[in-house]
Amino acid sequence: SQELEQSPQSLIVQEGKNLTINCTSSKTLYGLYWYKQKYGEGLIFLMMLQKGGEEKSHEKITAKLDEKKQQSSLHITASQPSHAGIYLCGADISGGYQKVTFGIGTKLQVIP
Amino acid sequence: NAGVTQTPKFRVLKTGQSMTLLCAQDMNHEYMYWYRQDPGMGLRLIHYSVGEGTTAKGEVPDGYNVSRLKKQNFLLGLESAAPSQTSVYFCASSGTGGVTYTFGSGTRLTVV
Repeated sequence: SQELEQSPQSLIVQEGKNLTINCTSSKTLYGLYWYKQKYGEGLIFLMMLQKGGEEKSHEKITAKLDEKKQQSSLHITASQPSHAGIYLCGADISGGYQKVTFGIGTKLQVIP
Repeated sequence: NAGVTQTPKFRVLKTGQSMTLLCAQDMNHEYMYWYRQDPGMGLRLIHYSVGEGTTAKGEVPDGYNVSRLKKQNFLLGLESAAPSQTSVYFCASSGTGGVTYTFGSGTRLTVV
């Protein structure tokens, strides 16, 4: 969706390196969600951010929301092969808490 | 706890044929969604439902119909399949008050 821009679209990193994925909305964010998709499988919910400045962490993955910039970043510390997959950001831009618009996704490969 | 179950997982159709994709959830969720995922396009919302007996159009509804006769089931129909409908289809559900989706594992549909 052009309403949500993700960058980069693909990323290859060496195991142990840190990386950041960005998601920028062209519309007001009422909630920002990060999902992970393993190749050929469904999406798994990672984190939800709702307030400006909010930051959440799960294991080695941290996500932040900059409400003023309408932007979120996902940071992985000390990447592992298990982190490989497609990361998608989704956002509630309707304000009705009824549906999520998704970005195209960032394909992450982690080389051992 | 099965979560969201999609059937079938794979299907090949000839142009003009019809079929129904079934999505079933056992979490008593109010909201259900059908998305399609295409390379370079991300996830796009086809139709969604905010409760039993209700349906609404999403971003790309043309060529599809849906029904939500029972709360736990959301059916996606293709009346006359076209090659442009070749895609991976995902069903998702969520409870009220937020859009933390639970996704099914997807249906890979090829129309020849």
